Parts: sequence; structure tokens; C-alpha cells
Amino acid sequence: QLQLQESGPGLVKPSETLSLTCSVSGGSISSGNYYWGWIRQPPGKGLDWIGSISYYGTTNFNSSLKSRVTLSVDTSKNQFSLKLSSVTAADTAVYYCASSRLFWGAFDIWGQGTMVTVSS
Amino acid sequence: DVVMTQSPLSLPVTLGQPASISCRSSQSLVYSDGNTYLNWFQQRPGQSPRRLIYEVSKRDSGVPDRFSGSGSGTDFTLKISRVEAEDVAAYYCMQYTHWPLTFGGGTKVEIK
Repeated sequence: QLQLQESGPGLVKPSETLSLTCSVSGGSISSGNYYWGWIRQPPGKGLDWIGSISYYGTTNFNSSLKSRVTLSVDTSKNQFSLKLSSVTAADTAVYYCASSRLFWGAFDIWGQGTMVTVSS
Repeated sequence: DVVMTQSPLSLPVTLGQPASISCRSSQSLVYSDGNTYLNWFQQRPGQSPRRLIYEVSKRDSGVPDRFSGSGSGTDFTLKISRVEAEDVAAYYCMQYTHWPLTFGGGTKVEIK
């Protein structure tokens, strides 16, 4: 059974870049059966998809964030990463990584989430 | 973008009674392969979301059979046949037929 764990700074300054990593255990990130995604949840609000990536690098993004988001996969470390540039207070949220088996949006396994606050 | 509209926003339910959550999409979720790609997630307080239902009505492993999903086209429903205390949570529908992937706003189930 796959397990996912997010890591990264809990505090980011406005205008800087938010960087998070999701470590995958219990399976290989190179498996062609999986896609890897990021979802966020502002405090007290609902879920918002950020983007997803395949292990070979194909990406899809939420159109509202596309210009600021970079996704990547590191097969040697069995990790995938999110970078969100030019952050503002509106980017304060719990960030989740999730895996999707067979279909891009399946999101069958989620990490525990990590809170990121944007503040000076 | 496909807009997913859930109702109600909040659902007070008596223990042992049924509960029903509606999810409507702004366009049909039937994909070109004939399948409909709609998920239901449960998010208990302080926890990560957990998928309960995929492709409208397929229950995930370990999900109690009191949870069921139904619907077609643009109208979908999550039903809990008899609500238990552990079902207190926010429930979200999500479509993955169209890009970008979109979630409903959520429904909070609480005990009366």
C-alpha cells in the first residue's frame, strides 16, 4: 500500500516561492499505473486542485494557478515536488499530495497534509 | 471549468437515520469512453480526505456498505443509510472527466 508524506517550510514570505516535496513509500513513483497530484485547502474552506504529474513528466494544472506552478518528479528519491511562485496570503493553506491509480483524478491515496502560512 | 454544486451546505442528522447529499455538475460528466468520473471524499475533522466512492457508485475497499453513490449525467447523490457517530465529517464530490479537475464546495454532516 502506497504511503505519501509531505515536507517543506511551514512559513513562506510574500512574493517568495513555496516549495514542497512528497515522499512516496510502499511503491515506485516510476510505476506507469500512477499519477501524482497536489491539492490545497485554505483554513476553513474546501478542496482546490493545484496540478498533477505523471512519472514521465506530463503535467496538468488548475488554470488559475498554472502561471505560478512547477511540478517535478525525482525518480531517484521516489519523490515529487511542487513549487508555487510569487505567493501571497491567499496561498495560505494545508497542502496535500495524493496519488491516483490508473486515472489522473482518482486521488485514492492522500498524504497527511502540511500547513503553509504566507506571512512576513 | 466544470462547476460542482453541492447541497445542502450543512446536514444535521439523527443517529441511525439516513442522510443524502446532492452534487450537480455544470456539464455532463460522461466521458468519451462511456464512463462517468466522479468521486466522493470524506474528510473527518483534523484528517486528510479519504476517497469513499469512485466512478459514481464504486465503493472503495474498507468503506462501510451504508455508504452508496448514485446518479448520472449531471446529477449525483451520496447516501448514508444509517448515520453513525464516526460519519461526522465534510463530504466532497469531485469530477475528473474534464480538465481542470474540480471539487464541490463540501457538505458538513453533523449529529442533531
